[in-house]
Amino acid sequence: QVQLVQSGAEVKKPGASVKVSCKAFGYTFTSYYMHWVRQAPGQGLEWMGIINPSDGSASYAQKLQGRVTMTKDTSTSTVYMELSSLRSEDTAVYYCARVPAGYTFNWFDPWGQGTLVTVSS
Amino acid sequence: QSALTQPASVSGSPGQSITISCTGTSSDVGGYNYVSWYQQHPGKAPKLMIYEVNNRPSGVSNRFSGSKSGNTASLTISGLQAEDEADYYCSSYTSSSTLGVFGGGTKLTVL
Repeated sequence: QVQLVQSGAEVKKPGASVKVSCKAFGYTFTSYYMHWVRQAPGQGLEWMGIINPSDGSASYAQKLQGRVTMTKDTSTSTVYMELSSLRSEDTAVYYCARVPAGYTFNWFDPWGQGTLVTVSS
Repeated sequence: QSALTQPASVSGSPGQSITISCTGTSSDVGGYNYVSWYQQHPGKAPKLMIYEVNNRPSGVSNRFSGSKSGNTASLTISGLQAEDEADYYCSSYTSSSTLGVFGGGTKLTVL
């Protein structure tokens, strides 16, 4: 069964960094690009970036350039999203989501269960 | 402000049909057939309902259908049921520097 399992909720202070993990089950990890999407409380979905689990190359939303880093660990079939210099507006649920084989962007399925990151002093 | 424009809310009675629009540009919705739709219930992750404009994943009710005309994609739900009450988001590939864009979301209320 194809499944993405994310790490647990985090509470961070402004200026700190957070690293969220997303572990893949049930498919060949290196064959599918992974995206990260976030959703602030009561708000819509925001695309954050994409990582190629095969070679680790990544591309980020312009808004987050310089603060976000996406990495992978092939040995554990896990991708990571690290966001630095956190501010209150980064409070959101962060999702990883896979796209079909052969595409950098298309439909997202499955999604991880989401990780709530709260930024508060 | 989201890159794709959706109505903030729509409503309908059980058994009726509703349509949610998703308007973009020729750089996204109008230029590619990589439009997908997601249903999201409170506190849950989004669920894929339609992919590549008008395709339904296995397990999704045939009451859900998608279409596109020009720069606007649409999601139609027929025979509304109480469990359809949720937020709905469209998504599209874009040729801009941002690889993908979402709509702002539409809250569907089943009266």
